[in-house]
Amino acid sequence: AQSVAQPEDQVNVAEGNPLTVKCTYSVSGNPYLFWYVQYPNRGLQFLLKYITGDNLVKGSYGFEAEFNKSQTSFHLKKPSALVSDSALYFCAVNYGRFSSASKIIFGSGTRLSIRP
Amino acid sequence: DADVTQTPRNRITKTGKRIMLECSQTKGHDRMYWYRQDPGLGLRLIYYSFDVKDINKGEISDGYSVSRQAQAKFSLSLESAIPNQTALYFCATSRGLGETQYFGPGTRLLVL
Repeated sequence: AQSVAQPEDQVNVAEGNPLTVKCTYSVSGNPYLFWYVQYPNRGLQFLLKYITGDNLVKGSYGFEAEFNKSQTSFHLKKPSALVSDSALYFCAVNYGRFSSASKIIFGSGTRLSIRP
Repeated sequence: DADVTQTPRNRITKTGKRIMLECSQTKGHDRMYWYRQDPGLGLRLIYYSFDVKDINKGEISDGYSVSRQAQAKFSLSLESAIPNQTALYFCATSRGLGETQYFGPGTRLLVL
């Protein structure tokens, strides 16, 4: 079955330290990969996506993500965390994209907490 | 003005009642989606529509129905609400296959 896993429910990081939020997937073909962020009482906002090409993708708010095909992972990273980065982060995968059966599945979310 | 709007933002209803959640978008996108969010489960797809005449069931469509009244409007109905439909519901749009999704602010639904 197609799936997306975010193995950590919560990640705690001190402000100024680097952060990583993990995502692995198990889908057929070559999917598109996304990261979204959700702030309290808000809808999800797009951060970045991987389609093809360079394995390191840069996105909004200083975030980047590294695609690793052999490990089927797409981890979200930031070199220096800010308190304002505290939010719920979702990894998403779009597969079967060249057919009408194209599907999108989301991970369960990781709550990122940055302490001052 | 927001590109994707949802009404109502909050709703409390009783078991057995019919309820409709509405979504409108000004992005001009053909594709629209309804998701529900539950703690620890992420977002699960209820229904999606590729255009006005193309509506498809998602992962958890039982107990829900939808209507795509126009390119810009996509409504979700609970014909007979039950307590386990208590959740946060999101509408989203996208331009096409594999494209970024744009989400509304969500509707928080409580079924008593």
